[in-house]
Amino acid sequence: QVQLVESGGGVVQSGRSLRLSCAAPGFTFRNYGMHWVRQAPGKGLEWVAVIWYDGSKEYYVDSVKGRFTISRDNSQKMLYLQMNSLRAEDTAVYYCARWMGAPHYYIDLWGRGTTVTVSS
Amino acid sequence: QSVLTQPPSASGTPGQRVTISCSGSSSNIGSYTVNWYQQFPGTAPKVLIYGNNQRPSGVPDRFSGSRSGTSASLAISGLQSDDEADYYCAAWDGSLNGVVFGGGTKLTVL
Repeated sequence: QVQLVESGGGVVQSGRSLRLSCAAPGFTFRNYGMHWVRQAPGKGLEWVAVIWYDGSKEYYVDSVKGRFTISRDNSQKMLYLQMNSLRAEDTAVYYCARWMGAPHYYIDLWGRGTTVTVSS
Repeated sequence: QSVLTQPPSASGTPGQRVTISCSGSSSNIGSYTVNWYQQFPGTAPKVLIYGNNQRPSGVPDRFSGSRSGTSASLAISGLQSDDEADYYCAAWDGSLNGVVFGGGTKLTVL
């Protein structure tokens, strides 16, 4: 079944680290770029990071640069988000998402999300 | 402050046609195609329109999208109570090297 399943969320103190994982069974994972998108409570969607299908490029939203790292293991069909120096404003539901590249550059598949709560 | 600008709310009565606007710039909507996502409370977003005006299979033709210059719009005709949800526009931004979203529009069916 084509799906994305996130895990690794939880409650963490400000300044600590957390690693999110996303399992991607059911499709040829190595053919797709992948994103992390988050949604703070009661707020809109915010793009966090993208990694190219082969891991050759990564881009981040300014607010997480230097703190978050996106990575992937194509042999295991896994996507990761290492989050360091967490802040209260990182509290959100984090979605793993599959990217259909050129020509339309859109996200066509979303996971159910994993919740990260950063407490001060 | 979102890079793409949407009205925070929209409303209509059953059967009506409503449109939701999305305004951007030359680095995003002006250069890349616009996509629209529908999100119900407590659930993940779902793609409604991609490539400015393409509907994935399973999306009713009541939903349509268009783009002109640095703006785009989503139209919903024959409004139904089930359409009550949040709607987000999005596009790749070549200057930011990332996806930019609108702030979202909450659609209410009166």
